[in-house]
Amino acid sequence: ILNVEQSPQSLHVQEGDSTNFTCSFPSSNFYALHWYRWETAKSPEALFVMTLNGDEKKKGRISATLNTKEGYSYLYIKGSQPEDSATYLCAFKQGGGTSYGKLTFGQGTILTVHP
Amino acid sequence: EAQVTQNPRYLITVTGKKLTVTCSQNMNHEYMSWYRQDPGLGLRQIYYSMNVEVTDKGDVPEGYKVSRKEKRNFPLILESPSPNQTSLYFCASSFNGRAYEQYFGPGTRLTVT
Repeated sequence: ILNVEQSPQSLHVQEGDSTNFTCSFPSSNFYALHWYRWETAKSPEALFVMTLNGDEKKKGRISATLNTKEGYSYLYIKGSQPEDSATYLCAFKQGGGTSYGKLTFGQGTILTVHP
Repeated sequence: EAQVTQNPRYLITVTGKKLTVTCSQNMNHEYMSWYRQDPGLGLRQIYYSMNVEVTDKGDVPEGYKVSRKEKRNFPLILESPSPNQTSLYFCASSFNGRAYEQYFGPGTRLTVT
């Protein structure tokens, strides 16, 4: 089973703060890295799918970067709002071989934004 | 409306009683997958399907079966459920199994006593 680590496990910030979290994954046989946002009592929703080293994606106040050579991705939230409170999941897809349909999730970072 | 549906949403059953959780998507997606979510362990992939009649094991396939006879449906079968299969289950689909975002169903909360 591949090792996909997210840090920190949880984070409390004040409204208006900017924050970032990390996803670490194996640096060999990279294919894609996904980010999902998961609100309590709902289903995970996709934020980004990144495939190229150096990729940067942005959606509103949320952005992500990717470094496949060293095996990490950062998710940034600028000016956090209470509605950003959720668990943020990354998921790693390895290329090559016969199991390229596998997707391995990290344990998530729980973000709480206080008004 | 594009969506992934799962049924039932909640199920309490007893050890050994076969059950099926259905999953259906209306987006003509090739790829479908099942996950279980347990506290402290995150989402773990059970099985996935790259297309009709093509299925493969994820990281935690023991005790589960799947089939993909039609593109829209991907049922999860527990032939002899045990208490350690008590979990929250999610079905998901994507355009194909490569680098496309996944759309998740609403989840099925299963309790095996």
